[in-house]
Amino acid sequence: EPEVTQTPSHQVTQMGQEVILRCVPISNHLYFYWYRQILGQKVEFLVSFYNNEISEKSEIFDDQFSVERPDGSNFTLKIRSTKLEDSAMYFCASSKGTSVTNNEQFFGPGTRLTVL
Amino acid sequence: AQSVSQHNHHVILSEAASLELGCNYSYGGTVNLFWYVQYPGQHLQLLLKYFSGDPLVKGIKGFEAEFIKSKFSFNLRKPSVQWSDTAEYFCAVYNNAGNMLTFGGGTRLMVKP
Repeated sequence: EPEVTQTPSHQVTQMGQEVILRCVPISNHLYFYWYRQILGQKVEFLVSFYNNEISEKSEIFDDQFSVERPDGSNFTLKIRSTKLEDSAMYFCASSKGTSVTNNEQFFGPGTRLTVL
Repeated sequence: AQSVSQHNHHVILSEAASLELGCNYSYGGTVNLFWYVQYPGQHLQLLLKYFSGDPLVKGIKGFEAEFIKSKFSFNLRKPSVQWSDTAEYFCAVYNNAGNMLTFGGGTRLMVKP
């Protein structure tokens, strides 16, 4: 069964450094998402992406964040200058569509980002 | 803005006990509700979803959920849990306008053998 994959599984970085989290969505899916979960808190929506554009973003997704689909398979989340409070588990997800019959989002295993 | 509340943060049951996990939502649009499960060390997986029709939805692994519109609830149930059901369970509502999921805080279920 096709799965969403994410790399790396764990990333440790120093405050102020740039990080890029990588995701490979399911191949026939058209919509891509990033969520994050700070330890002990809810899973929170960051951004959705369709047709090479951001379609929706949350308040969390400020100018420090960007997303890109650099080729036909990868979907990346970049944090330009990491802060301590960016430490979280970051989940990538994809879906075929947005109608009620095909909007199921399939999640990757997550990347645990630790900012020191 | 939409929100989802899961009342039980931690639940401990013995095998064969019945399970009900509460979920209440607040959302003004057409309701599309999900339950996801995260087994230890694994990714979020869909258990079941509701978008219309029969308010009693059956999912995988013997789980079901009932949508009660008047109570804004979508509680998850299983008649007889197994040790392998130990996991974290997340209720979520889909925001049609924003194409995003809003999650509840999750419920950690531990089933004692």
